[in-house]
Amino acid sequence: RKEVEQDPGPFNVPEGATVAFNCTYSNSASQSFFWYRQDCRKEPKLLMSVYSSGNEDGRFTAQLNRASQYISLLIRDSKLSDSATYLCVVNWARGVRGSYIPTFGRGTSLIVHP
Amino acid sequence: NAGVTQTPKFQVLKTGQSMTLQCAQDMNHEYMSWYRQDPGMGLRLIHYSVGAGITDQGEVPNGYNVSRSTTEDFPLRLLSAAPSQTSVYFCASSPGTSGIYNEQFFGPGTRLTVL
Repeated sequence: RKEVEQDPGPFNVPEGATVAFNCTYSNSASQSFFWYRQDCRKEPKLLMSVYSSGNEDGRFTAQLNRASQYISLLIRDSKLSDSATYLCVVNWARGVRGSYIPTFGRGTSLIVHP
Repeated sequence: NAGVTQTPKFQVLKTGQSMTLQCAQDMNHEYMSWYRQDPGMGLRLIHYSVGAGITDQGEVPNGYNVSRSTTEDFPLRLLSAAPSQTSVYFCASSPGTSGIYNEQFFGPGTRLTVL
């Protein structure tokens, strides 16, 4: 089983739709979680961190379920500009001097059409 | 601030050639890392550094070397290029040394083709 798994999609949705992505992780010692957005042929950029209590930023809501070991991203009222690949990132301590090394999922592709 | 810069943007090499991908950041970040991204594979960590003089291997280190002599620079060296190293390479930096809660800032990437 891969350490961090995402459904690659693509998720093809009309403008205004609500869409949700999940990301499962295998290491129960994982400590921090993020969602990044990557536009075609561009670098990834942080979308939002994921906190235990869940967090919201405008149309975007992120949730963490430690018991089932997954994080989720909900996008409400989808815009054409939301079309991108969404990468989940999970950190756990496995590096030099106890550093946390991020592991990226392969990404979920979202296409929002008119 | 320029953020994270990478040079070159594009490069074509022949099998067996060596080269260095440059990465620099002006945010005084201690944590820097190199990733490669291949279609369908996501981002895979090659090497990382938690400060000047401290580097470690990531998930796919074979065929690559790094060193970190300054906080600002983290070059990635391809020792003898192979077609399997054709990929897009991203450098990233992050504040602090633990990496636990910190955002990673990525450079624009280097698209490398090995013939």
